[in-house]
Amino acid sequence: SQELEQSPQSLIVQEGKNLTINCTSSKTLYGLYWYKQKYGEGLIFLMMLQKGGEEKSHEKITAKLDEKKQQSSLHITASQPSHAGIYLCGADSYSSGNTPLVFGKGTRLSVIA
Amino acid sequence: DTAVSQTPKYLVTQMGNDKSIKCEQNLGHDTMYWYKQDSKKFLKIMFSYNNKELIINETVPNRFSPKSPDKAHLNLHINSLELGDSAVYFCASSLAGGGETQYFGPGTRLLVL
Repeated sequence: SQELEQSPQSLIVQEGKNLTINCTSSKTLYGLYWYKQKYGEGLIFLMMLQKGGEEKSHEKITAKLDEKKQQSSLHITASQPSHAGIYLCGADSYSSGNTPLVFGKGTRLSVIA
Repeated sequence: DTAVSQTPKYLVTQMGNDKSIKCEQNLGHDTMYWYKQDSKKFLKIMFSYNNKELIINETVPNRFSPKSPDKAHLNLHINSLELGDSAVYFCASSLAGGGETQYFGPGTRLLVL
């Protein structure tokens, strides 16, 4: 079965600093999703990557999928307190059909002023 | 309008009781899911339904019974609640097929005393 490993498990950064969260898969990724979770809320979809080498950006968040489609990184530029939360990577657990997501254990991000 | 909604948001109950959690999506999606997030924030698939039919049933005790009265609803009924059932339960929905983004509800925080 597919497993996703995220690193680091937790991260404390000063406001304004850049940071990177990594997600490594035990198998080839057919679809890689990044979600953000704030306490008391559901998962908020950030981005989805499918093609090797793909890169997507939204505001100050950039996600990349490596060429081999086994690793993804999420980069936040000039972090703000609003970026704080738990970041989860999720992957399609099958290559086709109705696929639930397999999730990493999350990276807890704290941004301090 | 909330895309994926769950009720109740919080549920505190005694061991041995039977309880239900409701989920509704207004996105016109064909596929709905139930995930469980444990105390360590690890998110795992429980069930997946497509067009009211059970597609995926992971290793979940048969005390958990999902019911989908129509495509827009997927309810979770839990019999004889146990302490270990305490967790956050998330409902999600997506279009059918692999590679479709899943949209999550806000979660139901279940505490079994």
